[in-house]
Amino acid sequence: EAGVTQFPSHSVIEKGQTVTLRCDPISGHDNLYWYRRVMGKEIKFLLHFVKESKQDESGMPNNRFLAERTGGTYSTLKVQPAELEDSGVYFCASSQNIWSSYEQYFGPGTRLTVT
Amino acid sequence: RKEVEQDPGPFNVPEGATVAFNCTYSNSASQSFFWYRQDCRKEPKLLMSVYSSGNEDGRFTAQLNRASQYISLLIRDSKLSDSATYLCVVFYPGSQGNLIFGKGTKLSVKP
Repeated sequence: EAGVTQFPSHSVIEKGQTVTLRCDPISGHDNLYWYRRVMGKEIKFLLHFVKESKQDESGMPNNRFLAERTGGTYSTLKVQPAELEDSGVYFCASSQNIWSSYEQYFGPGTRLTVT
Repeated sequence: RKEVEQDPGPFNVPEGATVAFNCTYSNSASQSFFWYRQDCRKEPKLLMSVYSSGNEDGRFTAQLNRASQYISLLIRDSKLSDSATYLCVVFYPGSQGNLIFGKGTKLSVKP
C-alpha cells in the first residue's frame, strides 16, 4: 500500500512568489492534516480536513495560506505571496477516520525555502 | 509554557549504552501519548505509543505518569542505527485530531 506522498520534495522561490504544495494521502483515509516545521522549532499543526471539509484551520498562520482538498482526495496548500518566514518543512499526514485520528502517517515533507 | 517539553539534548552516547529521554506535557486532558522517531531530513515515524501501565518493544521502554504529566523513553543497548531525533507527541480531544509535538531530542550513538 502506498504511503502519503508529497510534491515537490523541495522548492526554492523568491519572496513575493506563489508556491503550491500537494499531498496525496493514503487511499481511503478521510483525515488529512498539514503541519509545518520552521527551523529550530517544533512541528506545528496548520489545518485538518475531514474528507473535503475543513475541520480545523486554527493553525494557519495568516490569509496568505490557502488549503483545499478537492473531492476529498488529494490536498493542496498554496502560499501567496510567500514571505521569508514561510521557509520550513511542510508535512502532510493522514489517518483513516475520526476514531483513529491519532494514528497519523506522515509524508516525506516539502522543504520550502523562500529567498 | 510550551505544551510539550523535552530534554534539550543532544545526547551523544557510545554503542551499547542505555539512554533515557524525558518529556512533560501541560494539558491534563491529554489522552494519547507517543514517541516518534525522525531521521535527518525524513518524516516523523511512529516509534511507539505510551500507556499508563508502561510498555516495552524490544530495547525500547516507554512510561507514562499521568499524575506528574510526564512521559519517558528508555533505550537499552544503543545501536548506531538508533541515531535520530526522538519526538514526544501528545493528542487530546480538544485538539480536534491534530498532534502536539515536542521539539525533539537528538540522539547520536557513536562506535
